[in-house]
Amino acid sequence: KNQVEQSPQSLIILEGKNCTLQCNYTVSPFSNLRWYKQDTGRGPVSLTIMTFSENTKSNGRYTATLDADTKQSSLHITASQLSDSASYICVVTREDSNYQLIWGAGTKLIIKP
Amino acid sequence: AAGVIQSPRHLIKEKRETATLKCYPIPRHDTVYWYQQGPGQDPQFLISFYEKMQSDKGSIPDRFSAQQFSDYHSELNMSSLELGDSALYFCASMRTFGEQYFGPGTRLTVT
Repeated sequence: KNQVEQSPQSLIILEGKNCTLQCNYTVSPFSNLRWYKQDTGRGPVSLTIMTFSENTKSNGRYTATLDADTKQSSLHITASQLSDSASYICVVTREDSNYQLIWGAGTKLIIKP
Repeated sequence: AAGVIQSPRHLIKEKRETATLKCYPIPRHDTVYWYQQGPGQDPQFLISFYEKMQSDKGSIPDRFSAQQFSDYHSELNMSSLELGDSALYFCASMRTFGEQYFGPGTRLTVT
């Protein structure tokens, strides 16, 4: 079954600290993996998109990794800021005729001063 | 486990026609979000409902309307369809302060 599992479900860290969010998937065939940041009630904003051949991709303080063999991805946030408080959603695209998107449930990240 | 159900999965309409998309949230989820995702674009937030009342409004055109019913399912009504309305429409449901789960989407094609 095509699934995307994220962990932890929620995370609280102090401002300035680093954190790593995990995404495991069983989607096949695999096309790409995206990490989104979503503020409450708003649309998701893309942070990174990675294809099969990419292992690491950075976007400012966000660094995503992808291990296509183990079907795992991580999103590392360095020097967290209060504005990083949001849900972080992992989305995997199936390479089928419709390029179906399989959404994870997200990790709620709360940054405390 | 039950997931978010969207219907139809695919819809083809002509310009100026109307369309109705339906979303059935996960049982006991009280919040529904609607998103529009054009080809190669990020999802754009349209509108959300909490306990059958509109809770937030995003970039939803005036030609579109939505509501959440007593059984918590939601419908997105789209009138005077334009070619640019062709997109994937996602619905997501959430229980207050919980995780957000997305449906498989409805692919709308306007010809």
